[in-house]
Amino acid sequence: DQQVKQNSPSLSVQEGRISILNCDYTNSMFDYFLWYKKYPAEGPTFLISISSIKDKNEDGRFTVFLNKSAKHLSLHIVPSQPGDSAVYFCAASGYAGGTSYGKLTFGQGTILTVHP
Amino acid sequence: DADVTQTPRNRITKTGKRIMLECSQTKGHDRMYWYRQDPGLGLRLIYYSFDVKDINKGEISDGYSVSRQAQAKFSLSLESAIPNQTALYFCATSDPARDQETQYFGPGTRLLVL
Repeated sequence: DQQVKQNSPSLSVQEGRISILNCDYTNSMFDYFLWYKKYPAEGPTFLISISSIKDKNEDGRFTVFLNKSAKHLSLHIVPSQPGDSAVYFCAASGYAGGTSYGKLTFGQGTILTVHP
Repeated sequence: DADVTQTPRNRITKTGKRIMLECSQTKGHDRMYWYRQDPGLGLRLIYYSFDVKDINKGEISDGYSVSRQAQAKFSLSLESAIPNQTALYFCATSDPARDQETQYFGPGTRLLVL
C-alpha cells in the first residue's frame, strides 16, 4: 500500500527552464509534506516543506504547491540548473488522535536531469 | 560538518553472517531512524526510536534488530544476512520541537549480501 506516490521515475529538462516534480498521497491524515534531494553517494538532504494550512511555500528557486482536495503536491524549480540534477523524494507526515506520527512516509523518488 | 555519521560506508558480507551498522549523531536529537533504500521503492522505515528507552518497529522490521545505546547512538543489526537485504541503509535524526517533522540523514551504508 503505497501511501505516497511519485509516478514519474525520471524527468529531463533544459537549463533555465522550469522543472515540475509531482507527488500524490492517499492518507487524508497527512498534514505536513517535505521534499528531499539526494545526490549519489550522499544521504538525502532537506529541501523545502509545507504544512497543510498553506497551499504554497517558496524558498528561492524552489516552490512547493499543495492541493489538499486532490491530495497532490508539486515542487517547482525555476530556473533549473545542472547542479539540480539529483533524485528528489517527497515525504509526508501526519497526526492521529492529537499525536504526531513522528514518522515520514516517502515516495519512490524522481530522477531529475538538467541539461546544460 | 558531519552531524550524522554512519559506519561502515560500504560492506560486503555473506549469507548467514551477522552484521551491525552503526549511526552516531552530534545534533543532540532524541529521535533516530533507520531506513533502507531500494531502486524504485524509495526509503522505507525499518525501526525508529523517540528516546533511549523507546524502540518501535517500522514497516519492514523483519530480519532486523536495533539497539539505542545512548542518545547519540543507534545501531542496526542483521541477525542472519540474506541477499534481499542488499540495499542502501540510512540513519536519520529529528527534533520536532525545533524543526517539525524534518529529518536529517547520514551519508548511508551500501550493503551487499552475497
